Amino acid sequence: GAVVSQHPSRVICKSGTSVKIECRSLDFQATTMFWYRQFPKQSLMLMATSNEGSKATYEQGVEKDKFLINHASLTLSTLTVTSAHPEDSSFYICSAVPPRQPQHFGDGTRLSIL
Amino acid sequence: AQSVTQLGSHVSVSEGALVLLRCNYSSSVPPYLFWYVQYPNQGLQLLLKYTTGATLVKGINGFEAEFKKSETSFHLTKPSAHMSDAAEYFCAVTSFSGGYNKLIFGAGTRLAVHP
Repeated sequence: GAVVSQHPSRVICKSGTSVKIECRSLDFQATTMFWYRQFPKQSLMLMATSNEGSKATYEQGVEKDKFLINHASLTLSTLTVTSAHPEDSSFYICSAVPPRQPQHFGDGTRLSIL
Repeated sequence: AQSVTQLGSHVSVSEGALVLLRCNYSSSVPPYLFWYVQYPNQGLQLLLKYTTGATLVKGINGFEAEFKKSETSFHLTKPSAHMSDAAEYFCAVTSFSGGYNKLIFGAGTRLAVHP
């Protein structure tokens, strides 16, 4: 149990495009999900905490208008990278917290902006 | 504030040899500690966790870790490395901040296993 599904696994698109990434908890409800960014050969950096039914909490230095987060249901959070540019290319990973368990992670989305 | 330091960004061992990945933490409160593994182009998989109780924690794939409060350490070990253990390993500590239990990750250790 406690599966987190992330989609798509890979996106390649042109500069200026907006890209939406979905994070779903498949067999549990998650009031809180987390979005991370990982640069090559580096650790995960928390971008924001996604809260069902309310605004996301962004970490310092993360642009809210650039990275839009919507947590409209207890099983789905989305991250939209607006007007993406090459510097936004990265590996984005979400996680969700099952009841009384540690964070479970999705398989990540590799975003490449040309 | 909480932080995690992983000593050694790269560790290389022979197949069948002992695996030791080092993790030291800093925490102003009793920590919850985790080890995650990441295979290429994938998310993170939980290996094991320490919350309270027994300080020697056993996880999946034959890994274990020991919480040593006096040394502020949570090193990961496996008696005999397998080729399939080659991956990136992250140590993490829970930080209760802004009303949420966030994870603070170390920089990671890449484990290579050679024949």
